[in-house]
Amino acid sequence: GEDVEQSLFLSVREGDSSVINCTYTDSSSTYLYWYKQEPGAGLQLLTYIFSNMDMKQDQRLTVLLNKKDKHLSLRIADTQTGDSAIYFCAETFSSNTGKLIFGQGTTLQVKP
Amino acid sequence: DAGVIQSPRHEVTEMGQEVTLRCKPISGHDYLFWYRQTMMRGLELLIYFNNNVPIDDSGMPEDRFSAKMPNASFSTLKIQPSEPRDSAVYFCASSPGGGGAQYFGPGTRLLVL
Repeated sequence: GEDVEQSLFLSVREGDSSVINCTYTDSSSTYLYWYKQEPGAGLQLLTYIFSNMDMKQDQRLTVLLNKKDKHLSLRIADTQTGDSAIYFCAETFSSNTGKLIFGQGTTLQVKP
Repeated sequence: DAGVIQSPRHEVTEMGQEVTLRCKPISGHDYLFWYRQTMMRGLELLIYFNNNVPIDDSGMPEDRFSAKMPNASFSTLKIQPSEPRDSAVYFCASSPGGGGAQYFGPGTRLLVL
C-alpha cells in the first residue's frame, strides 16, 4: 500500500542549511507536498512539486524530487530559529480524490 | 479568504459527555477532511467528504465517532460518549480536489477528563 517515510528528528545550527528527506511508494503520485507545523498550530502548506519536475526553488526553500528512487527532499537555506517546527511530506493518493498520504513528520530543531 | 475555520479551539469535558467539533471549509473546496493528531499515533485521517458525501470513513475509530456535512460550508465531528483516550488535537482540512493541496484549520484541542 501507499506509505511515506521520514526521519523523525533533525538538529542544525542557525545559519546552516537543513535537509529533510522523505521516501514514498506510489510512483503514480501527481503532486508531492511539504507542510510545516509550528507548536500549537495547524499544518501550513509550505511548497509542492509536480511529479514531472526535478527541482523547485522558492526563496530559501529548494525541493528536489528523484522519481527513480522515489525520494523527496526539502532544503532550507540559512536556517533560522523560526524554522523550528515539524515538517511533513505528503503524496497524492490519487488524482481523482483529494486524499493525501502523510509521513510521520520530521522535527527540526534549530540551535542558536 | 478566512481559511478553514474550526470551533471551539479548546474543549475540556468529562468522560461520558458528548463533544461536537465544528468546521467551515474554504469556499469552493469540494473535499473536507477530519484528522486526529496525538503524540503516540501521529496524524490520522478519520473521514473525508466529497461534495458533502462521506467517501471513506475507515479511519473512524469506533461507533462513538460520527461526522456529518449537511451543506458545503459546514461539517461536524461528534464523539458520544467521550473517553479520556479521545484526547487529541482534531484538525479539519479542505481541498479543491484533483490532487490539489489540503488546507488545514487551526485545530481543536480536546481534553477528556
